[in-house]
Amino acid sequence: GAGVSQSPRYKVAKRGQDVALRCDPISGHVSLFWYQQALGQGPEFLTYFQNEAQLDKSGLPSDRFFAERPEGSVSTLKIQRTQQEDSAVYLCASSARQGSWETQYFGPGTRLLVL
Amino acid sequence: GQQVMQIPQYQHVQEGEDFTTYCNSSTTLSNIQWYKQRPGGHPVFLIQLVKSGEVKKQKRLTFQFGEAKKNSSLHITATQTTDVGTYFCAVNTGGFKTIFGAGTRLFVKA
Repeated sequence: GAGVSQSPRYKVAKRGQDVALRCDPISGHVSLFWYQQALGQGPEFLTYFQNEAQLDKSGLPSDRFFAERPEGSVSTLKIQRTQQEDSAVYLCASSARQGSWETQYFGPGTRLLVL
Repeated sequence: GQQVMQIPQYQHVQEGEDFTTYCNSSTTLSNIQWYKQRPGGHPVFLIQLVKSGEVKKQKRLTFQFGEAKKNSSLHITATQTTDVGTYFCAVNTGGFKTIFGAGTRLFVKA
């Protein structure tokens, strides 16, 4: 595709609900990253995929957060039992090759608001 | 763990004035990247610096990597209203994790 796309663009959830955020990376990109960006802050790393393998999930804040990329393309970030502190913009980025040394192309993000 | 300090947090300039943001690390970096995020937008890659003392230019933007590879700067000459946004540095931790600075938000008054 032309760029990284994410859906939904906006999500309002009641506290305790589960949410699923989708990322469509640039076609053929090996690497996929998820970030969480709080208001006025820089993106914070959540997890990294190389194709379908999740090689680094050290940034996931709790076991309520789960990410997958089963076929090495589309990825889903799932948050279970959402809490107010989960409110943030969730950014997905992809890069052509493995590792985080490559240029990362970001999607528009999903803005999550937990009430 | 790896951290990068970015200063200043905010900068207000009059259009036509210069602007500089600095990124500092306590450890030697293998490389550093710079991104720009417009208000309401997403980060967009600007450049990557790898070599000690490296200087790269993109039109009115000048990027520098320190000799010790522990700091970097982004300088904009003669700012324009289109330069408005937040500028982030980002570093690689040696694995797959990218650490972003907190960013410098640039306001330009016409």
